[in-house]
Amino acid sequence: KAGVTQTPRYLIKTRGQQVTLSCSPISGHRSVSWYQQTPGQGLQFLFEYFSETQRNKGNFPGRFSGRQFSNSRSEMNVSTLELGDSALYLCASSLSRGADTQYFGPGTRLTVL
Amino acid sequence: AQSVTQPDIHITVSEGASLELRCNYSYGATPYLFWYVQSPGQGLQLLLKYFSGDTLVQGIKGFEAEFKRSQSSFNLRKPSVHWSDAAEYFCAVGAFIYGGSQGNLIFGKGTKLSVKP
Repeated sequence: KAGVTQTPRYLIKTRGQQVTLSCSPISGHRSVSWYQQTPGQGLQFLFEYFSETQRNKGNFPGRFSGRQFSNSRSEMNVSTLELGDSALYLCASSLSRGADTQYFGPGTRLTVL
Repeated sequence: AQSVTQPDIHITVSEGASLELRCNYSYGATPYLFWYVQSPGQGLQLLLKYFSGDTLVQGIKGFEAEFKRSQSSFNLRKPSVHWSDAAEYFCAVGAFIYGGSQGNLIFGKGTKLSVKP
C-alpha cells in the first residue's frame, strides 16, 4: 500500500505570496492532520480534517487554512506569506479520528524569502 | 493539559553501545503512546506504539519501549546502536481530545541522536 504523499516536496516563495500544499493519504484513511515543524518551535499542530470537515484547529492565524476532498485528499493554504512561515509542513493520515495511529508523509519544505 | 517531556535534547553514543531515550507524559486517562524517528529533511516514521496489553513493546529496526504507568514513562531502548540510527526521535501521546488546539497527537520536543564510530 502506498504511503502518504505530499506535493510539492520543496517550495520557494516570497513574502506576501500565497501557497497551496497537497497531501494524499494512505488509501482507506479518512483523517488527515497537518503539522508545522521548525527548529525553534518543534512540531506544531495546524489542523485535522475528517470527512471533509475541519475537526480540530491549532493556534495559528487565519492565514492558514485547509480543506479535504471527498477522496480524503487534503490541501492546506497559507496566504500573505511571512518569513516566519518557512518550515517543514508535514501531513499525516489515520484510519479514523481520536488517538489512532498517524502515518506521516515526507513533508513539504517551504522557504519564504 | 496533556504534555510529553523528552528531557534529553541531544545524546551521543558509540556504535555498538546500548541506547535509552527517555520520555515522560502527562495524561489523565490511559494513554496511547508512540515513538517516531525522523531523518534530516524527512517525514516521521513510526517505530512502535503502545495501546494496551504487554507493557514491553517491540518495534522496527530492533527498537523496543517499556510503558511504566507508575512513572508515567515510555522509554525507548536499543541494545546495540548502528550508525544508521543517527536521527531525531520523537515521543508522542495520543489524546482523545475533540475540538482541541493540540490535535490528537501531542509530541515531545525530540531527542537528537548522534552515533560515534
